[in-house]
Amino acid sequence: QQQVKQSPQSLIVQKGGISIINCAYENTAFDYFPWYQQFPGKGPALLIAIRPDVSEKKEGRFTISFNKSAKQFSLHIMDSQPGDSATYFCAASWGGSEKLVFGKGTKLTVNP
Amino acid sequence: DTEVTQTPKHLVMGMTNKKSLKCEQHMGHRAMYWYKQKAKKPPELMFVYSYEKLSINESVPSRFSPECPNSSLLNLHLHALQPEDSALYLCASSQDTGTGREQFFGPGTRLTVL
Repeated sequence: QQQVKQSPQSLIVQKGGISIINCAYENTAFDYFPWYQQFPGKGPALLIAIRPDVSEKKEGRFTISFNKSAKQFSLHIMDSQPGDSATYFCAASWGGSEKLVFGKGTKLTVNP
Repeated sequence: DTEVTQTPKHLVMGMTNKKSLKCEQHMGHRAMYWYKQKAKKPPELMFVYSYEKLSINESVPSRFSPECPNSSLLNLHLHALQPEDSALYLCASSQDTGTGREQFFGPGTRLTVL
């Protein structure tokens, strides 16, 4: 019940294309959904986060879409660039918890 | 200052050695975390300190010993590690604990146990 299922495991996109990464969860107590970006040899960095009272949040080229009834959320990267090549982790947390439940990650490669 | 720093960047140690990892933040955050990350895997939570007190220990073996000397510093003392403990050790901090508190991660210490 505490799992977050992330897909795909890897993704290859051409420069300028749209990258889409999906996550699904079962625990309806989750109320905070962040996305992290991690480059090789670096720590994860928070990209964007959403709460279930909002269906979409956009920051620059990055958009989170949230479907509460389907218990799914996704990250869309518009106009993908080679510099976006990294591993992306979705995560979830629940009220008052210090813990983040991470998805297994998606390795994104953007070809020039 | 909006970063979490970790030293050393790399550490190689034998199974009988004692070493320590250090983490520092000057953002006034009151929660600090240790994570372990294996290659191609997500970070795994090890310990959480909230207001300098240990609040979560995720059943981590006693060969890992955390310490929070003050609100800005977090140490991880290592003793008698096993080769399978080789991993990237990440420190993170947040303003406080609880949902929605953005966790800022450091760059990590790459640990190799021989």
